[in-house]
Amino acid sequence: QKEVEQNSGPLSVPEGAIASLNCTYSDRGSQSFFWYRQYSGKSPELIMSIYSNGDKEDGRFTAQLNKASQYVSLLIRDSQPSDSATYLCAAGSLYNFNKFYFGSGTKLNVKP
Amino acid sequence: GAVVSQHPSWVICKSGTSVKIECRSLDFQATTMFWYRQFPKQSLMLMATSNEGSKATYEQGVEKDKFLINHASLTLSTLTVTSAHPEDSSFYICSAGGSLYEQYFGPGTRLTVT
Repeated sequence: QKEVEQNSGPLSVPEGAIASLNCTYSDRGSQSFFWYRQYSGKSPELIMSIYSNGDKEDGRFTAQLNKASQYVSLLIRDSQPSDSATYLCAAGSLYNFNKFYFGSGTKLNVKP
Repeated sequence: GAVVSQHPSWVICKSGTSVKIECRSLDFQATTMFWYRQFPKQSLMLMATSNEGSKATYEQGVEKDKFLINHASLTLSTLTVTSAHPEDSSFYICSAGGSLYEQYFGPGTRLTVT
């Protein structure tokens, strides 16, 4: 069973703070990892991808990957109320048509 | 770039009828497309993986004869829900595979079966 696990939350942070979202995965064959943001009633939107160990920064977002610990995280700096959404972690395997295993998502609330 | 469209965005149909949902990659070619279903307050559930020119691969528990998938070209995949029932009412979302193994999602289709 290939699983991706996330804390369902909700995670509440004040505006301007750093939000830290975490994800673990069980399939050591996973080579690619993604963070999606999903607003209520909308489809997921890709915000970060990461393929190698370490950090990857894009604007206010930083993705971190540790393959040895099978751990992926997403940091959101200077959180804004508009960041309030559910964040989905996905792990992909190169050996299965790019199929993803999604976590159940973490709901983030950024309070003004 | 990497825009995926879905049509219709919402549809209401009567029980027993069929409904077709189209998914198009507008600015890139997608060898692989995926179909998901999402019930309220639940996560995405992968229904099937669709590869251009070949039969779709369905996830365990998804009825092939009920959810017909056709990936006719590198930019178009369709999902037909046959003999729809109220329990098929859901949010159906397609995605298209990108060149770096990412997936780009369409805006989704909300299906209500009365």
